[in-house]
Amino acid sequence: GQNIDQPTEMTATEGAIVQINCTYQTSGFNGLFWYQQHAGEAPTFLSYNVLDGLEEKGRFSSFLSRSKGYSYLLLKELQMKDSASYLCAVRDQFNKLIFGAGTRLAVHP
Amino acid sequence: DAMVIQNPRYQVTQFGKPVTLSCSQTLNHNVMYWYQQKSSQAPKLLFHYYDKDFNNEADTPDNFQSRRPNTSFCFLDIRSPGLGDAAMYLCATSRGDRLAGYEQYFGPGTRLTVT
Repeated sequence: GQNIDQPTEMTATEGAIVQINCTYQTSGFNGLFWYQQHAGEAPTFLSYNVLDGLEEKGRFSSFLSRSKGYSYLLLKELQMKDSASYLCAVRDQFNKLIFGAGTRLAVHP
Repeated sequence: DAMVIQNPRYQVTQFGKPVTLSCSQTLNHNVMYWYQQKSSQAPKLLFHYYDKDFNNEADTPDNFQSRRPNTSFCFLDIRSPGLGDAAMYLCATSRGDRLAGYEQYFGPGTRLTVT
């Protein structure tokens, strides 16, 4: 079966660093995506990993270990506008995205 | 700006009354997707078109149908909405090729309420 796990909620302080973990068990793997979704809005693309290692893009970085079925999204210098849900999604062997339920991040002053 | 547009943003329908949600794109992508997302849940793929080829997910109820008359437009028809169909419906597109990484671009969604 397909299973993607991520924490339901996290809280962090403005200016801090937060790491959101994602573990997956899927029947195929063709890459892992992270999306940001503000309440009532569509998901927006943050990052894509297909090889092991760290991808850095500004304040956001994403890491992948295929052998462990594990990824994390690292957010640095947190801002209030980073309060949102963060969705981990795996592209399976049919190139469909399997989404996790998302991690709701609350950033407080 | 190239984008994915969904209309309306909010739709209210009555129990059992057919409703159509629309999606259009100016990205000229060949793949279009429809997802259902209920509160605090993952988006769930209902079906997708690769060009004119329709691909239905095995667990998508028969109550949900789709049409893609041309590259730019795709419609989601719910023949007899039930209370359980109240959700956000997301349309997404992708180029559908390896070089593009299959990244999906989402529209703003239509929030459907069933009364």
